[in-house]
Amino acid sequence: GAVVSQHPSRVICKSGTSVKIECRSLDFQATTMFWYRQFPKQSLMLMATSNEGSKATYEQGVEKDKFLINHASLTLSTLTVTSAHPEDSSFYICSAPTLEGAFGTQYFGPGTRLLVL
Amino acid sequence: GQQLNQSPQSMFIQEGEDVSMNCTSSSIFNTWLWYKQEPGEGPVLLIALYKAGELTSNGRLTAQFGITRKDSFLNISASIPSDVGIYFCAGQLMNRDDKIIFGKGTRLHILP
Repeated sequence: GAVVSQHPSRVICKSGTSVKIECRSLDFQATTMFWYRQFPKQSLMLMATSNEGSKATYEQGVEKDKFLINHASLTLSTLTVTSAHPEDSSFYICSAPTLEGAFGTQYFGPGTRLLVL
Repeated sequence: GQQLNQSPQSMFIQEGEDVSMNCTSSSIFNTWLWYKQEPGEGPVLLIALYKAGELTSNGRLTAQFGITRKDSFLNISASIPSDVGIYFCAGQLMNRDDKIIFGKGTRLHILP
């Protein structure tokens, strides 16, 4: 299957700082990538759709100025959590779709654990 | 909006038993996906289904895309300890750039 990487795997930061998380498709190109967050014992919650060369599309209730998304190339999307606060602590996961199947197949990165102190 | 109902929410089984879980939807999907997630990791794709009625296996795992396109099931035969984890179903509507809708997951516990 396709490989999606994320960096860093975990990060601890002080409240008020900004944190950047990278998502890369290693062996395929993706014009679209997706960002999720997951709280303990819950399912994945879609935050936004990252679109290469254009603005990201945010889900209802997700602050676009808080979670900045940049899809600078066909293999890289970044999520920046600005002015992070303890309530932003969570598991952030990205995904990217390949061309497998008639409608494509989504592969996920290994996730980034963010802890804001 | 679209919702996926995944059941059961959790299962406690003996090693060696077979497992069955399913997802139903009020919407029609063109792709059904089954993922497994272990603690601290991202979901890993187990099986992808692209056609109504399709039955696909991956080792001890078997999944089917319902004829109505509104449901799918995943079976695990002869469970082993490493099968422990959370299994998510996911449906995709139209094309590869459309977001996928997740079920709430089935947490599988295996008793020694």
